[in-house]
Amino acid sequence: DGGITQSPKYLFRKEGQNVTLSCEQNLNHDAMYWYRQDPGQGLRLIYYSQIVNDFQKGDIAEGYSVSREKKESFPLTVTSAQKNPTAFYLCASKAGAHNEQFFGPGTRLTVL
Amino acid sequence: AQSVSQHNHHVILSEAASLELGCNYSYGGTVNLFWYVQYPGQHLQLLLKYFSGDPLVKGIKGFEAEFIKSKFSFNLRKPSVQWSDTAEYFCAVNAPGGATNKLIFGTGTLLAVQP
Repeated sequence: DGGITQSPKYLFRKEGQNVTLSCEQNLNHDAMYWYRQDPGQGLRLIYYSQIVNDFQKGDIAEGYSVSREKKESFPLTVTSAQKNPTAFYLCASKAGAHNEQFFGPGTRLTVL
Repeated sequence: AQSVSQHNHHVILSEAASLELGCNYSYGGTVNLFWYVQYPGQHLQLLLKYFSGDPLVKGIKGFEAEFIKSKFSFNLRKPSVQWSDTAEYFCAVNAPGGATNKLIFGTGTLLAVQP
């Protein structure tokens, strides 16, 4: 069953701690994306990767880091430098030339 | 820079009412346009898309959207909504061939359909 999985579904973290969100896809897509969703602000792009071992900053990359060592995996680390990390994080992968993206179920991160 | 505007932030309708959600984008060249829907507790999923050709596109669950190039608009419509259409709707635009090759999303419209 093809798709995108994200784990965990809910994550709680104390201030000052780094945390890594998992994103895995078995769709054989080259490109993968991380978005942050906040109420009333839509989806904002954090980082994206168009191919293995390559990634670019999106619109709100500060305080985040990523890696793309495997085609299937694109983990996102929320560092202690991110000033307002509590949000819903969505991972996506891209199919085809027209940039139709498929989304995972999301991870809700709460910083206590 | 590209941007997408969704002017309706919250919409409340009764079942069987007609729906139209506005979407305007700012980009003068060729665009790909999308509407995504997020039902409560579910994945964000594609509702419909426009790449080229007939500007009236039909999607899943009876939704359709019309691309009007002169107005930079891609409004979403449904003739008769159901309670199950309660969800958040996002318009998105991509400029193919651009350096960043990314989707720009609007801020979303929360639709509540009352039975």
